[in-house]
Amino acid sequence: DTEVTQTPKHLVMGMTNKKSLKCEQHMGHRAMYWYKQKAKKPPELMFVYSYEKLSINESVPSRFSPECPNSSLLNLHLHALQPEDSALYLCASSHSAGRETQYFGPGTRLLVL
Amino acid sequence: GNSVTQMEGPVTLSEEAFLTINCTYTATGYPSLFWYVQYPGEGLQLLLKATKADDKGSNKGFEATYRKETTSFHLEKGSVQVSDSAVYFCALHSGAGSYQLTFGKGTKLSVIP
Repeated sequence: DTEVTQTPKHLVMGMTNKKSLKCEQHMGHRAMYWYKQKAKKPPELMFVYSYEKLSINESVPSRFSPECPNSSLLNLHLHALQPEDSALYLCASSHSAGRETQYFGPGTRLLVL
Repeated sequence: GNSVTQMEGPVTLSEEAFLTINCTYTATGYPSLFWYVQYPGEGLQLLLKATKADDKGSNKGFEATYRKETTSFHLEKGSVQVSDSAVYFCALHSGAGSYQLTFGKGTKLSVIP
C-alpha cells in the first residue's frame, strides 16, 4: 500500500480566513513533504519533515505554517493568504529523506479570493 | 546544481502509436531517476524508477532505461491508449542527505482515438 491521503480535496478561502490542510500516511514513512504546484508547472518544494522535525523550509512566507503532530500526520495551517497562493498543494512521503522514492497524495486545490 | 530537461509538449498521438518522451539530466554523483504521471485534476503518481546505471524501470507498458553515458532516462511505450493522456514529469533525486526532488517542466500527452 503506497497511499497518501489529503483532505480537503478542494478549499475556497478569503484572505482573512484561517484554514488547515491535512495529510496522512500509514506506510511507516519517516519523511513527509509539502509541495505547491501552479498550473502547467512542476511541483515546488515548500517544507520537509524528517522524523517529525522540520528539516527544510524553502523560504516559504510565514502565512504558511506546517505542523507534524506524529509520524503519520502532516498539517499545513493557512492564514492571511493572498490570491497568488491559489494552487494545488501536494503532500508526499518517503521511507526516509535520502534517495528514497516519494509517494504523493491527490492534493488539495486551494482558491484564495 | 541538478537539473532535468524534458521535451516540450504538448505531444499529440493517435491511439496505438509509439511514444517517446525524452529526458536528460545534470547531476553530481549517482542520482535516482523517476517518471511521475499526473492525470487531469489529480496528484502525482509514481510511474517507474531506476536507481543505478543500466537499470530499466517498467510499469503499465511504459519503460525507461537509466543511461549514464548519455545522462538520459527517456520514457517509451509501444502502444498508447486514450487513458494515457496526462502530464508526465521526469525527476531526479541526487542522493543521501538531499531532500530535493528535481523535476523537469513536464510533458503533456494527448492521445486521440
